[in-house]
Amino acid sequence: DQQVKQNSPSLSVQEGRISILNCDYTNSMFDYFLWYKKYPAEGPTFLISISSIKDKNEDGRFTVFLNKSAKHLSLHIVPSQPGDSAVYFCAASVTGNQFYFGTGTSLTVIP
Amino acid sequence: DAGVTQSPTHLIKTRGQQVTLRCSPKSGHDTVSWYQQALGQGPQFIFQYYEEEERQRGNFPDRFSGHQFPNYSSELNVNALLLGDSALYLCASSPGRFGGTGYTFGSGTRLTVV
Repeated sequence: DQQVKQNSPSLSVQEGRISILNCDYTNSMFDYFLWYKKYPAEGPTFLISISSIKDKNEDGRFTVFLNKSAKHLSLHIVPSQPGDSAVYFCAASVTGNQFYFGTGTSLTVIP
Repeated sequence: DAGVTQSPTHLIKTRGQQVTLRCSPKSGHDTVSWYQQALGQGPQFIFQYYEEEERQRGNFPDRFSGHQFPNYSSELNVNALLLGDSALYLCASSPGRFGGTGYTFGSGTRLTVV
């Protein structure tokens, strides 16, 4: 019973272009969402978060959008850089405690 | 400033054996959560320890147990290992139970059950 889904296992983008990673969730009680980035042989690293009271949060090249009615969030990376190549996980929680993760999207940024 | 430290990094065990994994949280963090990441999957929550007690538990059998010490470090124990327990086990620490952005992950312990 996957409460958080990332339906695209992989994504390839040219350097300088926009990368859009998508995430869907089923539990309407989720009120806190995060994106994590993971390199091989390392643990996930926090990237950006958003609470359910907002519909957008920006941090430099990274923007997360939340559409509560559609139970959908997306991560935009502009411009994409080769160093952004990694696996990106979407995670959701109620009150920021136990997190439910998606299965990840492997992003490749082509120089 | 050391982040979250996990040991060992890799481990091979035989089915039916018992295993103990260790985690030292980031300095200033008092809460430890454990996650299991199977191949091709996202991390799944096992349990969380705060003030030396298990505070929340995911959908894992009683074969999975843990402990938190007064210095906030933690152990994850798995008894009667099954082949399906083979996974990357991640420890995450946070300043308080509702870590949010303060959730810091270690690099994990890769457990292989043969």
